[in-house]
Amino acid sequence: ETGVTQTPRHLVMGMTNKKSLKCEQHLGHNAMYWYKQSAKKPLELMFVYNFKEQTENNSVPSRFSPECPNSSHLFLHLHTLQPEDSALYLCASSLSRTEDYGYTFGSGTRLTVV
Amino acid sequence: GENVEQHPSTLSVQEGDSAVIKCTYSDSASNYFPWYKQELGKRPQLIIDIRSNVGEKKDQRIAVTLNKTAKHFSLHITETQPEDSAVYFCAASIRGGSYIPTFGRGTSLIVHP
Repeated sequence: ETGVTQTPRHLVMGMTNKKSLKCEQHLGHNAMYWYKQSAKKPLELMFVYNFKEQTENNSVPSRFSPECPNSSHLFLHLHTLQPEDSALYLCASSLSRTEDYGYTFGSGTRLTVV
Repeated sequence: GENVEQHPSTLSVQEGDSAVIKCTYSDSASNYFPWYKQELGKRPQLIIDIRSNVGEKKDQRIAVTLNKTAKHFSLHITETQPEDSAVYFCAASIRGGSYIPTFGRGTSLIVHP
């Protein structure tokens, strides 16, 4: 594994369901990110946490709710999603949000909303 | 905000050929330019990066060049191999403001044996 672990790898949910995605890193990184990856589109930044504090919310609908209990764990809570929310959700971490180091990505959760 | 354009969207080459992927950026304050490789069904991985104080960086068969005046940077892969087949993403981040990178749309590189 890469150091950034995402679970589950695949998720199928109905529009009325509530589910959560989990991301975990033990790299000693202090910044964690959620990205959405859809076909034919650039990676879309959703949320940024730096030292457990949310520093960016990129106009994400409220049906996506992040949670960062500590610098090693990041969650994305999902409820009443729409079919267009189907995508690969990638978690990433970096040493710090304020330094230009590269990201370490997780393998992603493939989400299908039916 | 920053805008990153990446071309081509698809690149098909024969094994052993060279491949070049180009990106342009809009904000002259950008100073960090990473490249990521994403194989099918796998996570993006950082393969090389360059900062604005250098014009070129090389790591074995891959190299990145940066032209700050023209605001473009390129990824060069020499002696391509089938395992180089993947989607490659460029990115640019802005110094002094947000360090969150803006990604290009990606280039699907196909290397034919």
